Amino acid sequence: ETGVTQSPTHLIKTRGQQVTLRCSSQSGHNTVSWYQQALGQGPQFIFQYYREEENGRGNFPPRFSGLQFPNYSSELNVNALELDDSALYLCASSPDSGGAYNEQFFGPGTRLTVL
Amino acid sequence: GNSVTQMEGPVTLSEEAFLTINCTYTATGYPSLFWYVQYPGEGLQLLLKATKADDKGSNKGFEATYRKETTSFHLEKGSVQVSDSAVYFCALTRRTSGSRLTFGEGTQLTVNP
Repeated sequence: ETGVTQSPTHLIKTRGQQVTLRCSSQSGHNTVSWYQQALGQGPQFIFQYYREEENGRGNFPPRFSGLQFPNYSSELNVNALELDDSALYLCASSPDSGGAYNEQFFGPGTRLTVL
Repeated sequence: GNSVTQMEGPVTLSEEAFLTINCTYTATGYPSLFWYVQYPGEGLQLLLKATKADDKGSNKGFEATYRKETTSFHLEKGSVQVSDSAVYFCALTRRTSGSRLTFGEGTQLTVNP
C-alpha cells in the first residue's frame, strides 16, 4: 500500500511568484487536508478537500487555494508569495471527512523557501 | 477557540530515563486527543490517541491518559531510547470540525546514550 506522497521535496521561489504543491493520497482515502508548519512551530490547518469539494478552511487568506481531483490527489496553490509563506507544507489523507477519530496519514512535506 | 499548549522544550534525557511531556488543551465539548511524532526529515506519524475521557492511549511504550477534569493529555514513557529522539506534537480534533487537527507547538526530545 502506497502512503501519502508529495512533490516537490524542496522549492525556492521569490516574493510575488506563484507556487503549486502536489499530493497523492493514500489508496482508498477520499479526504485530503493541507497544513503549514513554520520552522519551530506546530502545523496549522489550511483547508480540507472531500470528494473534490472544499470541506473546511483555516485562517488563511484567499491567495491560498486548492483542488482535489477525481482520483483524490490534491494541489495547493499559493499566489503572490510572501516571505512568511516559507514553511514546510504537509498533506494528510484520511478515509473519511467527518470522523474526528480517524487517523490522518501525513506525507513527508514540501519545504518552500521564499526569497 | 480550540488550542493546545505543550511544555516548553527542548527536553534532553539520558537513555533509560523517564519521560513526561505535558499537554493541556482548551476546547468545548469532548475533543479527541492525539500525540504525533516527527522524526528528522519526515512527516508526522500518529503515536497514540484517546477519544473519550479516562481513555488511555498507548503505543511503543508511550502512554497518555485523557483527563477531562484537568484538560490534559500528558505523554509518558518509562525508559526512553536514543531512537525516540524526535519532535512530539499534541493535537486535538472536535466532532463538529471533522478530522481537522489543532496542534500544539511541539516538544523537541533528544535522548543521549
